[in-house]
Amino acid sequence: NAGVTQTPKFRVLKTGQSMTLLCAQDMNHEYMYWYRQDPGMGLRLIHYSVGEGTTAKGEVPDGYNVSRLKKQNFLLGLESAAPSQTSVYFCASSYYSEGPYNEQFFGPGTRLTVL
Amino acid sequence: GENVEQHPSTLSVQEGDSAVIKCTYSDSASNYFPWYKQELGKRPQLIIDIRSNVGEKKDQRIAVTLNKTAKHFSLHITETQPEDSAVYFCAGEPRDSGGYQKVTFGIGTKLQVIP
Repeated sequence: NAGVTQTPKFRVLKTGQSMTLLCAQDMNHEYMYWYRQDPGMGLRLIHYSVGEGTTAKGEVPDGYNVSRLKKQNFLLGLESAAPSQTSVYFCASSYYSEGPYNEQFFGPGTRLTVL
Repeated sequence: GENVEQHPSTLSVQEGDSAVIKCTYSDSASNYFPWYKQELGKRPQLIIDIRSNVGEKKDQRIAVTLNKTAKHFSLHITETQPEDSAVYFCAGEPRDSGGYQKVTFGIGTKLQVIP
């Protein structure tokens, strides 16, 4: 049971380049999330998904796109990278239940630098 | 949407002393308040949580209190140890208009336990 995994772990891009970050979970979770973590800003939600084929915007969605074609995978895309997107990106997943008691399980993070 | 404020942003304590981190939230619909610990270079992990129908919860050296009327909750760590050094995030979790869960994190508190 690998939990939540992220690919790649590190990446350096030039301004204007594109890339896709892959998140995979083997816990059969319905919910998946993408966050970015910047110094002094905490964890900010970029996009999230409540199930296969569905996505929704979070707090800071501009410049990012996502897709959830399979329940276990959640992809985060940067179409034209900008230096402001230099950050550590965390994927997370959680169960859905009627109650609000859902622990989020985080991936190890991807450190992205945009030059 | 939910707004979670957390303070202090940094906290240094002597080993064996207690540490208290405080958070306030804005959305009265929030009914679940998790706390995550992130060690240096690692992923955030849930350490304790509290539901809105409970005023206090303890787990060994850590405890969380919730005051729904004042919309604030706190993390208490007693008999601190060097391994408690980490960044701690509080979070509030309301359901949005679509009935979906979204977690809003505070900016984090960097706790340093001095041996």
